Amino acid sequence: DTAVSQTPKYLVTQMGNDKSIKCEQNLGHDTMYWYKQDSKKFLKIMFSYNNKELIINETVPNRFSPKSPDKAHLNLHINSLELGDSAVYFCASGDGEKLFFGSGTQLSVL
Amino acid sequence: KQEVTQIPAALSVPEGENLVLNCSFTDSAIYNLQWFRQDPGKGLTSLLLIQSSQREQTSGRLNASLDKSSGRSTLYIAASQPGDSATYLCAVRRSSTLGRLYFGRGTQLTVWP
Repeated sequence: DTAVSQTPKYLVTQMGNDKSIKCEQNLGHDTMYWYKQDSKKFLKIMFSYNNKELIINETVPNRFSPKSPDKAHLNLHINSLELGDSAVYFCASGDGEKLFFGSGTQLSVL
Repeated sequence: KQEVTQIPAALSVPEGENLVLNCSFTDSAIYNLQWFRQDPGKGLTSLLLIQSSQREQTSGRLNASLDKSSGRSTLYIAASQPGDSATYLCAVRRSSTLGRLYFGRGTQLTVWP
């Protein structure tokens, strides 16, 4: 049983398109996150939700919109994709101490 | 703003060596510090978590220490094995259980047989 699962694993798309990445956790955690890992492997937080409420919203273009229908799911929708959005996006969930990561979605914008 | 630095950026050692990975952070007001392992094409796996009040944590061949006042942590790997090859990331959490994590850029470790 995968604890934090995100889909798709790979996403290749054209500039200007809109795409979504889905994330689900079965750990019963209250807090979920989206992180972006750039080409230099630097991980930076984008958003954090606690019990469906947005608690961290980093300086991210408003083309990125997270949605949490319930505390087990946190999806990421991206409008008008740009070349610079190419990266690996990681979903994570936490119990207030440790973080548990999904295996990542590699987004390539052509 | 918290900045996390990891040295060295890459390390290549023969099997069996004991090694030390370093992590430093600029703001000592942290809630906890975690060490993660990332394998190519995979997500991150939490290895050790040290609370701000603790000095060290151990798990198997891994030992992590924390010196909050000097803004440093080390990850010690004993008797390294080829299966230890991965990128090791250090992350500090500020303020509380909901505080954000700040990551270093990692140390890429290669252990050759």
